[in-house]
Amino acid sequence: EAGVAQSPRYKIIEKRQSVAFWCNPISGHATLYWYQQILGQGPKLLIQFQNNGVVDDSQLPKDRFSAERLKGVDSTLKIQPAKLEDSAVYLCASSLTQEKLFFGSGTQLSVL
Amino acid sequence: GNSVTQMEGPVTLSEEAFLTINCTYTATGYPSLFWYVQYPGEGLQLLLKATKADDKGSNKGFEATYRKETTSFHLEKGSVQVSDSAVYFCALIGDNFNKFYFGSGTKLNVKP
Repeated sequence: EAGVAQSPRYKIIEKRQSVAFWCNPISGHATLYWYQQILGQGPKLLIQFQNNGVVDDSQLPKDRFSAERLKGVDSTLKIQPAKLEDSAVYLCASSLTQEKLFFGSGTQLSVL
Repeated sequence: GNSVTQMEGPVTLSEEAFLTINCTYTATGYPSLFWYVQYPGEGLQLLLKATKADDKGSNKGFEATYRKETTSFHLEKGSVQVSDSAVYFCALIGDNFNKFYFGSGTKLNVKP
């Protein structure tokens, strides 16, 4: 089966610019997650969707981060404006059951 | 609250050596425990899991036993291969299944 697709693979921007990441989950997976993985740390959940509704966004910095999942399939994560500390790998994952996540390869963001 | 602590890396071993990567957790209730692995350039993927005390998860020669008395879930393999070189993440999900908590990851380098 096709895995979780993410794009772009890499992105370099200057601080205060905007950036968007795209994720296409595995077909049929109702739950979609965005994680932030800072170098040397484990993934941290930013937002969790169940179909097109938000289940958990408690750790999403809502003043600059936004995410949507239109039609309950693809999702985009946006940062506007970016800060230096946003440099990280942004991982998208999807799941059929909440015990097994399938991760994409991630988008590596560098903010200069 | 819930959290996972795992040994810092990198861990460097010769091929066929014995591997242990320590993981301890803090959780309320009865969490499920996981090891995820991230090979270079790829997304995280589930390696093994255990859902209750004394369960042993196993896959690809790796094993981990859910020890409630010591709140541990150490990863072991009797004979590592170069292809096992990756970053290993210990994780838990609470018994309300609402969020994964990941450790910071341990990088394993296996030399021929």
